[in-house]
Amino acid sequence: QVQLQESGPRLLKSSETLSLTCTVSGISVGSFYWSWVRQTPGKGLEWLGYIYITGRTVYNPSLVRRLAMTIDSSKNQFSLRLTSVTATDTAVYFCARLQTTVNKHYLDFWGQGVLVSVSS
Amino acid sequence: SDLTQDSAVSVALGQTVRITCQGDSLREFFATWYQQKPGQAPLLLIYDKNTRPSGIPDRFSGSFSGRTASLTITGAQAEDDAEYYCSSRDISGDWLIFGGGTRLTVL
Repeated sequence: QVQLQESGPRLLKSSETLSLTCTVSGISVGSFYWSWVRQTPGKGLEWLGYIYITGRTVYNPSLVRRLAMTIDSSKNQFSLRLTSVTATDTAVYFCARLQTTVNKHYLDFWGQGVLVSVSS
Repeated sequence: SDLTQDSAVSVALGQTVRITCQGDSLREFFATWYQQKPGQAPLLLIYDKNTRPSGIPDRFSGSFSGRTASLTITGAQAEDDAEYYCSSRDISGDWLIFGGGTRLTVL
């Protein structure tokens, strides 16, 4: 059974760095692509990016300057760092497995999400 | 590019409803549909044009034409009352985009 669990600080102040980790169980992170998605309160979904075990990353163009993702196969985890946060980065952050081919991307397994709040 | 969805749709219990998603990326890439209920993570409903993951009822189906993808619920149930999001690969690059979501109310 594939399970994903987000963890990390829930409260941040403006200009700090958001750091979240997704722990995967049931499958190896080395076999798939992994993504982060966020959802601002009462709003829609925003894809942040993905990472593969080789370290290859693709980021949302609107966040590329502040975003970094890493993967650790020894811990079966992958992580997100978002620098210089502001109140607009307050959101529920989800990790998910990405299935991808030349003509599709979709997210088939998701973590439960974690609310990260940024105060000024 | 963007994916456009109606913000809200309603359907009577047991009736059929279609939720649409429009965007240029859908001419090139398959649409995916997710269901999200309050306080929960999105749930994958339809991928690869019209494939349902294990456990998704067959009342959910997907279709597409040109730049429009559709999610059809045939015989809507009370538990289908939720937010529905479409997504696809972006036509501009190797990233994923979401529609704004459609709030489905089952009356």
